[in-house]
Amino acid sequence: GQQLNQSPQSMFIQEGEDVSMNCTSSSIFNTWLWYKQDPGEGPVLLIALYKAGELTSNGRLTAQFGITRKDSFLNISASIPSDVGIYFCAGPRDRDDKIIFGKGTRLHILP
Amino acid sequence: SAVISQKPSRDICQRGTSLTIQCQVDSQVTMMFWYRQQPGQSLTLIATANQGSEATYESGFVIDKFPISRPNLTFSTLTVSNMSPEDSSIYLCSVTSGPPYEQYFGPGTRLTVT
Repeated sequence: GQQLNQSPQSMFIQEGEDVSMNCTSSSIFNTWLWYKQDPGEGPVLLIALYKAGELTSNGRLTAQFGITRKDSFLNISASIPSDVGIYFCAGPRDRDDKIIFGKGTRLHILP
Repeated sequence: SAVISQKPSRDICQRGTSLTIQCQVDSQVTMMFWYRQQPGQSLTLIATANQGSEATYESGFVIDKFPISRPNLTFSTLTVSNMSPEDSSIYLCSVTSGPPYEQYFGPGTRLTVT
C-alpha cells in the first residue's frame, strides 16, 4: 500500500537554528498535511498543501508541496523550545481518501 | 476547526476487561475516525465511524475487538474488548471539518493494560 517516508527520524538542534525535514512517497499525493504532536496531546494540523509547487507559511513554519507530487518539505526558522515534539506528514490515500501518516520526525532542542 | 473532547483521558485496566472511550465534537461532522498510536509509533487508522450504519474497519482490526458506535453527528464511542498488554496505546478520535482532507484530533486516551 501507499507509504509516507519521513526523514530524519529525529533531530537534535540548538535553540535558534533552522530546521528542515521532508516526506517522500513512491506514489503521487494530491494533498500534503503537516501535523505536530506535543507529548500527551493529539496531533495539531500545522499546514495543508493542495497544489504542486505550493509554498505555504504559518508563522515560522514553511511547507512546500513538491512539484513531482511525491514529496513535501517542512522548514522551521529560528527554533524555540516549544518547537519540541513530533512532526508528522500525512495525506489521503488513493483508494478512499482516508488520511495516512508518516512515522514522524522527532525534534529535540539541546539545552 | 472542530473542538474534540475524549473521555477518559487515561486509564489503567486489567487484562481481559473492556474499556469504552467516548468522543464528543462541538459541531456536527460527517466523518469521524478512530486511530491507534502505539508507544513511540505513528498513527494507524482503526476504523471510520459511520452515523446510522456499521463502522468501516481497516485491515487488521475487527468489530468484535473494537466495536464502535456513532449514534449521531457529534458523538462516537470505541470499545477495546478483552484487553491484553498489546492494546496499551493512545487511542485518538478524529474528524474532518472545513476544507477537504483537513482532519482534527482529540487529545487522546492513554490506555495501559496490565
